[in-house]
Amino acid sequence: DVKVTQSSRYLVKRTGEKVFLECVQDMDHENMFWYRQDPGLGLRLIYFSYDVKMKEKGDIPEGYSVSREKKERFSLILESASTNQTSMYLCASSFRDRISGNTIYFGEGSWLTVV
Amino acid sequence: SQQGEEDPQALSIQEGENATMNCSYKTSINNLQWYRQNSGRGLVHLILIRSNEREKHSGRLRVTLDTSKKSSSLLITASRAADTASYFCATALNNNDMRFGAGTRLTVKP
Repeated sequence: DVKVTQSSRYLVKRTGEKVFLECVQDMDHENMFWYRQDPGLGLRLIYFSYDVKMKEKGDIPEGYSVSREKKERFSLILESASTNQTSMYLCASSFRDRISGNTIYFGEGSWLTVV
Repeated sequence: SQQGEEDPQALSIQEGENATMNCSYKTSINNLQWYRQNSGRGLVHLILIRSNEREKHSGRLRVTLDTSKKSSSLLITASRAADTASYFCATALNNNDMRFGAGTRLTVKP
């Protein structure tokens, strides 16, 4: 089975702190994604990466950065956490450019509270 | 911006009834996918339908796709309490970066 593992399930951080959310997948997927999910807004794409050291902005990249130094690992970084970044963060991965379509596999989510 | 939009936002039915959820999208697609999310958990892939397909079945799930109307529907037949979850449609702008809608919250009452 595909496994996408997010390092922390629940975090509480202070305003202004630098926050790292880590994600690891074990299926040799090329694509990795970070979404945030808020009530009534669904999932919004923050960043995605289609290869090591490659990244693309999603719909809401402001206040976030990412790092992909190894194929299996994709990190989301909040340079200076703010209360409006309190949310559930979902990491996901998929193969790239499959003609049959790219099924996405999700981690269990990280609940971040910024106080 | 959101690519898929689900309708209704919430749906409540009795066990044994059928549940229908709709999804509309804005641009041309290669395929459309439906996902399920149990409360507080990650999303799980249910079914994928390609742009050249009109209907697809998987167990109690039936998905239709109308590319002329840019819409899809997910039908769950003979619903069970365990089907209670949120359901999302997803489309890829370029077959890689997937976008999701806000989801339909389905409640199946025993």
